[in-house]
Amino acid sequence: AQSVTQLDSHVSVSEGTPVLLRCNYSSSYSPSLFWYVQHPNKGLQLLLKYTSAATLVKGINGFEAEFKKSETSFHLTKPSAHMSDAAEYFCVVSDKSSSGSARQLTFGSGTQLTVLP
Amino acid sequence: ETGVTQTPRHLVMGMTNKKSLKCEQHLGHNAMYWYKQSAKKPLELMFVYSLEERVENNSVPSRFSPECPNSSHLFLHLHTLQPEDSALYLCASSQAGTDTQYFGPGTRLTVL
Repeated sequence: AQSVTQLDSHVSVSEGTPVLLRCNYSSSYSPSLFWYVQHPNKGLQLLLKYTSAATLVKGINGFEAEFKKSETSFHLTKPSAHMSDAAEYFCVVSDKSSSGSARQLTFGSGTQLTVLP
Repeated sequence: ETGVTQTPRHLVMGMTNKKSLKCEQHLGHNAMYWYKQSAKKPLELMFVYSLEERVENNSVPSRFSPECPNSSHLFLHLHTLQPEDSALYLCASSQAGTDTQYFGPGTRLTVL
C-alpha cells in the first residue's frame, strides 16, 4: 500500500520570499512522485516528476523538488514566490505495484498556497 | 484543440435528470481516467480505461456509468444523482504502462 501526507493544508508567504510545501510518502516500491498544481476552477497541471534519476527535479515556473529516500520526503520549493503561484498543490505517488497497463495515482490532500503582496 | 478537453465545463441538473460528461484527449494516449474532486476531500479515482477496456471501478455507485468508445474519448453518463454527487469531475489520460497523467479542466457538477 502507498500513501502521501502533505504536512500543511495552508501555507502563506509574501511575494518574493521562498516557498516550501512539504510532502512525505510511503511506498513499498521505488516510487514515482509528482507535484501537480490546481488554480481555481481549473484542472491539475503537472509541475514536475521524479522517476529515480536525479534526486533534485526541476519543474515549470521555477519550482523544484528533492527526493530524499532516507526521510521519505519530496518537498516542493521555489526561491521567490510570485502572485501567480497562489493555487492548490498536490503531492502524488504512483503505484508501480498495480498490475496491468494503467498506473494508479495516490493523491495527497493538497496544500493551499497564498501569496501576500 | 490540444491536451485534454472536457465538456461541459459547468452542469446543473436535477436528481431525476440524465446527462453525460464528455472527455477528449489529443495526446495519442491509450489510457483514460475519471476522478471526482469534492471539497475538503482528496481526489478520488472512479474509473480507469486502458486500451478501451475498463480496468478499474472503485466501488462507484451505478448511477455513474462510464463509456470509452475509442482511445480518444471517454464519457460519464449520469442518472438519478444525489446532491452529494455535486463535485468537480476530472478526466485524465496517459500512455498505458506509464505514470504521468494529464488532466482536463474538469466539469463542475451541481445536483439540485
